[in-house]
Amino acid sequence: QQQVKQSPQSLIVQKGGISIINCAYENTAFDYFPWYQQFPGKGPALLIAIRPDVSEKKEGRFTISFNKSAKQFSLHIMDSQPGDSATYFCAASKGNKLVFGAGTILRVKS
Amino acid sequence: SQTIHQWPATLVQPVGSPLSLECTVEGTSNPNLYWYRQAAGRGLQLLFYSVGIGQISSEVPQNLSASRPQDRQFILSSKKLLLSDSGFYLCAWGLADTQYFGPGTRLTVL
Repeated sequence: QQQVKQSPQSLIVQKGGISIINCAYENTAFDYFPWYQQFPGKGPALLIAIRPDVSEKKEGRFTISFNKSAKQFSLHIMDSQPGDSATYFCAASKGNKLVFGAGTILRVKS
Repeated sequence: SQTIHQWPATLVQPVGSPLSLECTVEGTSNPNLYWYRQAAGRGLQLLFYSVGIGQISSEVPQNLSASRPQDRQFILSSKKLLLSDSGFYLCAWGLADTQYFGPGTRLTVL
């Protein structure tokens, strides 16, 4: 019940395309869903986060879509750029501990 | 604004040697503090977290220990390193459910 399942493991997208990463969770007590972006050799950086009282949140080219009934949430990167190439982690929490997905390696081809 | 520091940035240690990694946070008071380990190409494994001075919770049984001697200082230690302790060690701080990661320490045990 504590798992967060993330897919795909890796993703290749053409420059200007849309990158979509999906996550699913089991624990309905989770009430905070962040996404992190990690470049090689660096710590993960908080990218965008959502709470279950909204179905979508957009910040620039990054959008989280949240489906509470399906217990799924996804990250959409519009107009993907080579600089977006990184590993992306979804996570979920209730309280002060995060449960992370396994990560998705995104490569944007120029 | 808040800043998190980790040192050293990289470390190469022989098997059986001791370990001390340090994390400090600036610009906030009484944060939750976390130690994670990330194996190469893998996800984030929570090792320890702390909600206050001297309060440490261990998430997985292992060769490591943690201490919080001051409000904004978190230390990861080992008396005798194993080969399996190699990895990327990340410290994070948080208030409520959001966590912010430090730059990490790359540990190689030979």
